[in-house]
Amino acid sequence: NAGVTQTPKFQVLKTGQSMTLQCAQDMNHNSMYWYRQDPGMGLRLIYYSASEGTTDKGEVPNGYNVSRLNKREFSLRLESAAPSQTSVYFCASSENRGGYEQYFGPGTRLTVT
Amino acid sequence: GDSVTQMEGPVTLSEEAFLTINCTYTATGYPSLFWYVQYPGEGLQLLLKATKADDKGSNKGFEATYRKETTSFHLEKGSVQVSDSAVYFCALSDRTGGSYIPTFGRGTSLIVHP
Repeated sequence: NAGVTQTPKFQVLKTGQSMTLQCAQDMNHNSMYWYRQDPGMGLRLIYYSASEGTTDKGEVPNGYNVSRLNKREFSLRLESAAPSQTSVYFCASSENRGGYEQYFGPGTRLTVT
Repeated sequence: GDSVTQMEGPVTLSEEAFLTINCTYTATGYPSLFWYVQYPGEGLQLLLKATKADDKGSNKGFEATYRKETTSFHLEKGSVQVSDSAVYFCALSDRTGGSYIPTFGRGTSLIVHP
C-alpha cells in the first residue's frame, strides 16, 4: 500500500517549456487534489476532482490544466511554464466525507528558470 | 467563505517545554477540523482531527479540542521534543458541491532546541 505517489520528485524547466506532473493513489479515494506550496503562502488549491470524470478549479488555476485519467490517477499539466510557477507541488486524496482526512504525496519540487 | 487563522511562527522552545499553537476558524456549515504536520522535505500528514463540537483529537502527545463557541482548535503538547520540530497546519473541511474542500492556515513553524 504505497498511499499517494508523485513523479517526478524534482524538475527544472526553462520558461515556455511544458511538463506533466503525475499523481496516483491506491486507497480507492474518490477525491483528488493538486496544491502548490510557496514560502509564507501556505497551501493553495490549484484544481480538484470530486470523482472520476469531473474536475473543478481551485484558488489558483491559471496556467495549469488537469486530467482525471481514472479513479487512481490525477495529472497536472503546465503548458508553458513561467518563473512564477516555481514551487513545491503536492497531490492529495480523500474520501468525500467531512470527517475524512487528506493523504498527501511527497511533493514535486519544480524550478522554472 | 471559510477561513483558518493560526499564529505566526516560528515558535521556538526548549525541549520539555509546553506548546500551544493557536488556531481559529470561520465557516458557514459544520466543518471537521484537523491538524497536519509537515517534516522537512516531506508532504503533510494528519496529526489529529475532530469532527464535531467538544470532540478532542489526540495523537503522539498532542491534543486539540473543537470549541464551537470560540471557533477555535488550539494545538497543545505538554512536553515537546527535538523531533517535534516541523511545520504545523490547522485546517477545516466543509462541503462544497460534491466534495469536501479543505481550507488550510498558513502554517506555524516549531523549532525545539535541546
